[in-house]
Amino acid sequence: NAGVTQTPKFRVLKTGQSMTLLCAQDMNHEYMYWYRQDPGMGLRLIHYSVGEGTTAKGEVPDGYNVSRLKKQNFLLGLESAAPSQTSVYFCASTKDRDRIGGGYTFGSGTRLTVV
Amino acid sequence: QKEVEQDPGPLSVPEGAIVSLNCTYSNSAFQYFMWYRQYSRKGPELLMYTYSSGNKEDGRFTAQVDKSSKYISLFIRDSQPSDSATYLCATSYSSASKIIFGSGTRLSIRP
Repeated sequence: NAGVTQTPKFRVLKTGQSMTLLCAQDMNHEYMYWYRQDPGMGLRLIHYSVGEGTTAKGEVPDGYNVSRLKKQNFLLGLESAAPSQTSVYFCASTKDRDRIGGGYTFGSGTRLTVV
Repeated sequence: QKEVEQDPGPLSVPEGAIVSLNCTYSNSAFQYFMWYRQYSRKGPELLMYTYSSGNKEDGRFTAQVDKSSKYISLFIRDSQPSDSATYLCATSYSSASKIIFGSGTRLSIRP
């Protein structure tokens, strides 16, 4: 049981380059999320999805786009990377609206550096 | 003002000690309180959660909420080196609301 798998694990980008982060879950979860984690800032929600074909903005959506074409996959895109987007990105999923008891299942993160 | 505040640490204690980790929050409407544990180079995982005020115990871990002072605590008894991790507190208005995470406290248990 793989849980939530994020690819790639590490990436270095030059300013202005684009990339896509892939999140895949095999738990048949409806809800999926993208967070970024920065020192002293905690986890901040970028975008989320409540089901296949849906997306919504979170707390810090600027500079990112997402797509959820298949239930098991949630893609995070950076169209023109900036140094301020250097961070660790985490994908998470939950089964349904009860996000408390079941908890979020997180991936192991993607470490992105933009130079 | 952040909605959830945590001392970033690091906190270093000897093996076997009782550890106290704390958070404060700003909004009295929060009803659910969670603790996540995050090992180095891994994603967070849910440790335990409580609803409203009171205590909840799970093995060596006890979560405590004091809504009157907007204070959340996690106690670890008989701490082990394997407890070394970053601990994030989190809150939510309801079971279906977004979860707001603190920035985490880094804990190190010395053998």
